[in-house]
Amino acid sequence: DGGITQSPKYLFRKEGQNVTLSCEQNLNHDAMYWYRQDPGQGLRLIYYSQIVNDFQKGDIAEGYSVSREKKESFPLTVTSAQKNPTAFYLCASRAGLLNTEAFFGQGTRLTVV
Amino acid sequence: KNEVEQSPQNLTAQEGEFITINCSYSVGISALHWLQQHPGGGIVSLFMLSSGKKKHGRLIATINIQEKHSSLHITASHPRDSAVYICAVRDYGGSQGNLIFGKGTKLSVKP
Repeated sequence: DGGITQSPKYLFRKEGQNVTLSCEQNLNHDAMYWYRQDPGQGLRLIYYSQIVNDFQKGDIAEGYSVSREKKESFPLTVTSAQKNPTAFYLCASRAGLLNTEAFFGQGTRLTVV
Repeated sequence: KNEVEQSPQNLTAQEGEFITINCSYSVGISALHWLQQHPGGGIVSLFMLSSGKKKHGRLIATINIQEKHSSLHITASHPRDSAVYICAVRDYGGSQGNLIFGKGTKLSVKP
């Protein structure tokens, strides 16, 4: 079955540590996205990538980093510079820039203690 | 200023009721998406539409481009429909292919 896999589902980290969230898709999609969801707020874009080896900052990129070395993979690193990292993180992908459907992963809930 | 507004924020219904969730937006769009988020957090795309109306099972989505408004209807609601329903629009002028999300409508259907 094609889809997007995020791992792990729950992640706990100590303050000051970097942590990497995994996102893998086998849909052969060019575009991939990372969103952050906080209670009572809509999803906000952290980073996106339209093609391998290229990515762009979204609305709330500070304290985060990404890489896109393979088409299938778009990992997100939450660095110690992110002031409020505890949140729910969602990865999505789309086939291209035209009006195509977005596919979402199951999300990773990160708690920093 | 929220570019995508949903109403109501919370909705409780009895099983079998007809449900309507509304979405208004203020930007020019190329498409509007309705998404469903279950308690576990994963999101499923229900509809993508740019005009008119789409139907899938008990779900119906409509959009009025001139009025910048869309509605999601659920007929014969069931407890398994309980979820957060999210409206998202694809902005002509925004980040390449990015979506702008509403805050979601939390639906609870009681048996």
